[in-house]
Amino acid sequence: DQQVKQNSPSLSVQEGRISILNCDYTNSMFDYFLWYKKYPAEGPTFLISISSIKDKNEDGRFTVFLNKSAKHLSLHIVPSQPGDSAVYFCAASGGTDKLIFGTGTRLQVFP
Amino acid sequence: DTGVSQDPRHKITKRGQNVTFRCDPISEHNRLYWYRQTLGQGPEFLTYFQNEAQLEKSRLLSDRFSAERPKGSFSTLEIQRTEQGDSAMYLCAGEKSGNTDTQYFGPGTRLTVL
Repeated sequence: DQQVKQNSPSLSVQEGRISILNCDYTNSMFDYFLWYKKYPAEGPTFLISISSIKDKNEDGRFTVFLNKSAKHLSLHIVPSQPGDSAVYFCAASGGTDKLIFGTGTRLQVFP
Repeated sequence: DTGVSQDPRHKITKRGQNVTFRCDPISEHNRLYWYRQTLGQGPEFLTYFQNEAQLEKSRLLSDRFSAERPKGSFSTLEIQRTEQGDSAMYLCAGEKSGNTDTQYFGPGTRLTVL
């Protein structure tokens, strides 16, 4: 039972444009959501998070939006840079301390 | 750099052998988590510690797996009688209690079982 879903396995975006990565969840007990970025052969790197009491959180080029009624969150990266090319994981927690991860979206930013 | 280190970074072993991995979080991380990641999947929770107490274990953690955090600092994950299905990236993450569930990951240990 996949409680956190990232339905797009890959995304290709031109440098300078906006990248939008999507994530859906099924468990209404989730109250904290995170995005991680992962390069090959490295551990996930924390990017940005959002609590369920908010609907938006911004940090530099990264903005996360949360739509609780739709059980959907998205990560916006603008402007996209070639160094952003990586796999992005959405994760959620709530009620317990462990994180539940999606399967990831591979972002490629081309010149 | 999250300050979380893992050793070794890579381990190749033959089926049936025992392996042990080590994770060193930073001193502020009173919680320590172990995850496993296989190709095409996100990390999956294995177990976690609050200081030296092991508070939760996933059903993924068969009786061949054991984890310890004896002094509430570093942690070890041992796999006995390895199987080819154990081949994966093993990730350790630290978290400062009260920091709203933000976990900081180490670089991982890539295990290959031949």
